[in-house]
Amino acid sequence: SQKIEQNSEALNIQEGKTATLTCNYTNYSPAYLQWYRQDPGRGPVFLLLIRENEKEKRKERLKVTFDTTLKQSLFHITASQPADSATYLCALVPFYTGRRALTFGSGTRLQVQP
Amino acid sequence: KAGVTQTPRYLIKTRGQQVTLSCSPISGHRSVSWYQQTPGQGLQFLFEYFSETQRNKGNFPGRFSGRQFSNSRSEMNVSTLELGDSALYLCASSLGTGGSGETQYFGPGTRLLVL
Repeated sequence: SQKIEQNSEALNIQEGKTATLTCNYTNYSPAYLQWYRQDPGRGPVFLLLIRENEKEKRKERLKVTFDTTLKQSLFHITASQPADSATYLCALVPFYTGRRALTFGSGTRLQVQP
Repeated sequence: KAGVTQTPRYLIKTRGQQVTLSCSPISGHRSVSWYQQTPGQGLQFLFEYFSETQRNKGNFPGRFSGRQFSNSRSEMNVSTLELGDSALYLCASSLGTGGSGETQYFGPGTRLLVL
């Protein structure tokens, strides 16, 4: 069956360090992979999208990689700040034209210590 | 531009009742998707509406239904509520014409508690 796995354990890092979050998937042929941030009691906020033919995408302090051979995406936050503390979700869009149904991983909670 | 709004924000119901949740998308967006979020199952896709038609449907029982109006506002209804329906219900809007990778914008959600 299709599965998306994110590290369920919280990631604790020191301010200024680089946070790296992992998203692994099986039995999927995703066309797109998206990363979202979710704060407690709020809806997810879109951060980055990467296509299956792209290896890397950057936006300010954020970087996403997408390895379709390893079936893995890595999400990096450089120079992390306490304000980056949140749950980060990866979401896949299968390779079906027009299908907007996102399939989410369970999310990884990031805690940045000052 | 105003973001996606959902009403009500919080709701308490008892088993067997039914509930209707409302979502107003971002102005100009024609696609509205609904998701259920629970601690155990995470975020799961319910259905998507575009131009008043259901375009995609997730793996939920028929007790979960929705509709979309001509102004793109959407409602979802859950009949015969069960305890397991307690969740955060999220609505997301997008233009609806940009292909599968189109960015979706989520609302703050409606927290439903079934007693």
